[in-house]
Amino acid sequence: QVQLVESGGGVVQPGRSLRVSCVASGFTFSDYILHWVRQAPGKGLEWVAVVSFDGTIKYYADSVKGRFTISRDNPKNTVYLQMNSLTTEDTAVYYCARGYDILTGDYWGQGTLVTVSS
Amino acid sequence: QTVVTQEPSLTVSPGGTVTLTCASSTGAVTTGNYSNWFQQKPGQAPRALIYSTSNKHSWTPARFSGSLLGGKAALTLSGVQPEDEADYYCLLDFGGVRVFGGGTKLTVL
Repeated sequence: QVQLVESGGGVVQPGRSLRVSCVASGFTFSDYILHWVRQAPGKGLEWVAVVSFDGTIKYYADSVKGRFTISRDNPKNTVYLQMNSLTTEDTAVYYCARGYDILTGDYWGQGTLVTVSS
Repeated sequence: QTVVTQEPSLTVSPGGTVTLTCASSTGAVTTGNYSNWFQQKPGQAPRALIYSTSNKHSWTPARFSGSLLGGKAALTLSGVQPEDEADYYCLLDFGGVRVFGGGTKLTVL
């Protein structure tokens, strides 16, 4: 069965960096694009970034452009989100989700909580 | 950045019909925005319902349908069940960059 499992969340100070990961199983990883989506406590969903099948094409939300980097390692079935210059506004549950061109997020992970606090 | 707008809240009676909409600040929503709809219940990850305007996933109940209506993406629930009470989010594609709407809290009362 399709599974996406995020990890790497935790408490980090403002201005610091953190990398979260998402390991996939149950499907051919390189056949799908991968998204990161976040949800601040008590707030709505915010799309963060997407990476293409081979990792060459990436798009970002304006709120994270220049600070966050999405990447993937197809042999390891893993997608990453490197987050730099974190602020309290980045506190959220971070979900990974798979998709393809016309479909976003048919399967989601359970999320990993990132808390930015001094 | 582009803003996607949904009704903040709607209330529907069990067995009734309700339509949620999703508007774009850039103009009319088209099939090229590949609208997706998601349901989220408290403490759970989102669940996909509709993709590319009107396509259902294998698990999507028949009472859910997607369309374009008056320049907006729309999600219609016909014969609403108590378990449909949840937050609903639309997602639009703007040439690779995706944007979620603010969500609609649907109450079944």
